[in-house]
Amino acid sequence: ETGVTQTPRHLVMGMTNKKSLKCEQHLGHNAMYWYKQSAKKPLELMFVYNFKEQTENNSVPSRFSPECPNSSHLFLHLHTLQPEDSALYLCASRRDRGTQETQYFGPGTRLLVL
Amino acid sequence: AQSVTQLGSHVSVSEGALVLLRCNYSSSVPPYLFWYVQYPNQGLQLLLKYTSAATLVKGINGFEAEFKKSETSFHLTKPSAHMSDAAEYFCAVITGNTDKLIFGTGTRLQVFP
Repeated sequence: ETGVTQTPRHLVMGMTNKKSLKCEQHLGHNAMYWYKQSAKKPLELMFVYNFKEQTENNSVPSRFSPECPNSSHLFLHLHTLQPEDSALYLCASRRDRGTQETQYFGPGTRLLVL
Repeated sequence: AQSVTQLGSHVSVSEGALVLLRCNYSSSVPPYLFWYVQYPNQGLQLLLKYTSAATLVKGINGFEAEFKKSETSFHLTKPSAHMSDAAEYFCAVITGNTDKLIFGTGTRLQVFP
């Protein structure tokens, strides 16, 4: 059973809409991540937060705006998206930034941009 | 920079047959290696990880992987496939003090009765 939850599980939005994805972890972890998973491409790391501070922005377009109000919650605010942004967005958490630590993933939000 | 290559985007086996999913890594420093599994409409679940303690790593659901430095490989195996093993499998590598877990492109495993 995953300790990382994501809502909504599915989202359809138009290019002019504004929506937000939510991730919550119940594992007491300090680091949280957003990934994008597109068909036939490796998982792409988007953002990393450690103790609520953003430590990595992997050249993500500004139409994606992350927010981490505390170590348990992570949001991804979406606005004026493009059809090519349709993908599965995965949230993950990890106890610390140590390299041996396992990242635990949520079930993802499948996003379709029309 | 580190990278991961998964040979074969699709692998098909019969139920009861050996499963072998290939992963080769590239890293200039000792790597930490992971195998994740993704079932349909779900997130990624850790199968096993190599953290330099032992070269043969046993994971969940009967899977294991062997770290071979000389071959820069970390292939995933299971002696006898089960229908429930049908999923997508991802190999990943991380090195140094970094947050970047680098994933391969994945291998989709099909199991036929």
